[in-house]
Amino acid sequence: ETGVTQTPRHLVMGMTNKKSLKCEQHLGHNAMYWYKQSAKKPLELMFVYNFKEQTENNSVPSRFSPECPNSSHLFLHLHTLQPEDSALYLCASSQGGTSGPNTGELFFGEGSRLTVL
Amino acid sequence: GEDVEQSLFLSVREGDSSVINCTYTDSSSTYLYWYKQEPGAGLQLLTYIFSNMDMKQDQRLTVLLNKKDKHLSLRIADTQTGDSAIYFCAESEGGGNKLTFGTGTQLKVEL
Repeated sequence: ETGVTQTPRHLVMGMTNKKSLKCEQHLGHNAMYWYKQSAKKPLELMFVYNFKEQTENNSVPSRFSPECPNSSHLFLHLHTLQPEDSALYLCASSQGGTSGPNTGELFFGEGSRLTVL
Repeated sequence: GEDVEQSLFLSVREGDSSVINCTYTDSSSTYLYWYKQEPGAGLQLLTYIFSNMDMKQDQRLTVLLNKKDKHLSLRIADTQTGDSAIYFCAESEGGGNKLTFGTGTQLKVEL
């Protein structure tokens, strides 16, 4: 139990569907992230939120839309996805902010396994 | 952009030492990390090393950093079946929040 919970754990969707992935952290962190994990590829940073503000969008297609209503919750809204978007989507959180030493430790959820048909 | 490279697979026998290697391109990396991902789980920080260190030891784990060659390694002594997992190398610039990860190395421990 890392303190970061992702739902659903598995999701199958058609290319015309709209779905959302949810992430919740109970660690009191201020930064939250979405990563994409595909086989044989580096873990890919998608979005970063610090204190609810998006500070990084790593050239992610607009069919992925993040939402961070507060520091504890992060969503990834999905629409008109492609089969190549099938992957494990990992949410992470960290202390965030710029004050004090920051070793950059990320706390990950277990991921949402997405399959796009 | 920054790159982190590591081999995809490593197989060792139980009781042997495992050495997982990683190279990175960002010369301004401040922290370098090893994360472990067990089956069906997210990544968990295993250990990290600050860029002004050459070596860090933590029980069965030894991290070696060659800053000149931009090479990082993780040695696991007396490898056990429970060490079977994917090991990710990562680096951050300036100790900030943006980590760049490698592909992960899948370690398989055989009896």
